[in-house]
Amino acid sequence: EPEVTQTPSHQVTQMGQEVILRCVPISNHLYFYWYRQILGQKVEFLVSFYNNEISEKSEIFDDQFSVERPDGSNFTLKIRSTKLEDSAMYFCASGGGTGRYEQYFGPGTRLTVT
Amino acid sequence: RKEVEQDPGPFNVPEGATVAFNCTYSNSASQSFFWYRQDCRKEPKLLMSVYSSGNEDGRFTAQLNRASQYISLLIRDSKLSDSATYLCVPTLYNQGGKLIFGQGTELSVKP
Repeated sequence: EPEVTQTPSHQVTQMGQEVILRCVPISNHLYFYWYRQILGQKVEFLVSFYNNEISEKSEIFDDQFSVERPDGSNFTLKIRSTKLEDSAMYFCASGGGTGRYEQYFGPGTRLTVT
Repeated sequence: RKEVEQDPGPFNVPEGATVAFNCTYSNSASQSFFWYRQDCRKEPKLLMSVYSSGNEDGRFTAQLNRASQYISLLIRDSKLSDSATYLCVPTLYNQGGKLIFGQGTELSVKP
């Protein structure tokens, strides 16, 4: 069964450093998403991406964040200068297969900013 | 008013019990609805979509009442493996299909 994959599973970085989180969505999906979940809190939407451009972004997704689909398979989230409050689990999701708005999540990357 | 409201629980039930979760959502423009489950520190996993006429998938039955902006999930014959947090998730087509999560309802099924 196809699944979304994410790397790395855990990333530790120092405040102010840049990080890139990587995702490989399900191959025939057209819509790609990033969400995050701070420990003990709800899952929050960050950004949606379709047809090589951002279709929607939340208030969290400020100028420090960017997304890219550099080739036909990878989908990345970059945080330019990490802050302590960026520590969270980051989930990639994809959708737009047979059920257009059903989204399937990857296992997540736990980002720890020290 | 919160976008999605669910009783946080925890719901502690014995194996074999029937348990029902309720959810209300605030945005009447929501167009698709899902139930996800999330195990501790894991990703949300799609449990089922929710259709207007109601739908069933094995032991799970979902209902939607658009007029009341209310969604429910019924789990019959609970298994230990059903222990998780259940998330009621509406989505808006005109906002990139983003999923709107609440805190979810925690279920603990005991032997």
